[in-house]
Amino acid sequence: AQSVAQPEDQVNVAEGNPLTVKCTYSVSGNPYLFWYVQYPNRGLQFLLKYITGDNLVKGSYGFEAEFNKSQTSFHLKKPSALVSDSALYFCAVKSRNSGYALNFGKGTSLLVTP
Amino acid sequence: KAGVTQTPRYLIKTRGQQVTLSCSPISGHRSVSWYQQTPGQGLQFLFEYFSETQRNKGNFPGRFSGRQFSNSRSEMNVSTLELGDSALYLCASTPDLTDTQYFGPGTRLTVL
Repeated sequence: AQSVAQPEDQVNVAEGNPLTVKCTYSVSGNPYLFWYVQYPNRGLQFLLKYITGDNLVKGSYGFEAEFNKSQTSFHLKKPSALVSDSALYFCAVKSRNSGYALNFGKGTSLLVTP
Repeated sequence: KAGVTQTPRYLIKTRGQQVTLSCSPISGHRSVSWYQQTPGQGLQFLFEYFSETQRNKGNFPGRFSGRQFSNSRSEMNVSTLELGDSALYLCASTPDLTDTQYFGPGTRLTVL
């Protein structure tokens, strides 16, 4: 079985400050990890993924995420938040052998205030 | 390239009716996956099709079904609609040899 936990329903950050959105996972075998963002009344937009290799993954719009195997975490980070980053963020996981079925976390609402 | 398109964008149905949703993947993508998004349950995987074959299925009742055509376009059907089927239905397509899914804007289904 595979699962994802996003412990925070909402994260509030001031514009210009660094942001972190947390994600922990549980999966059999090596994890494939993803971050997606959803704006109101839109589908999900891909931000970044970790499959293998360097633990620090860089993605779209200045976002990055760090894979930590010992803590089974894949936190999303950005050095300097923008008001336009305000959205719903989803972490997702799958195992190598689970096809294309992604298991998503419940989502974290990010609010960046001016 | 055009993105994933889903039609219709909004639907209102009544209990007991059936509904068909359509998804056109990004050109060249042969895999199409479907997800249901609700406030209570979040995003849940419905099924995935590749070259007209269902490869994977989530834990949904048999009222939920799908198919894929030779041009990779996919449809999902929900029969005997229930109030709890009200949701945003998202379709995603995946290029061969990668694991990144690209999502469409979704179809918002409301069951009255």
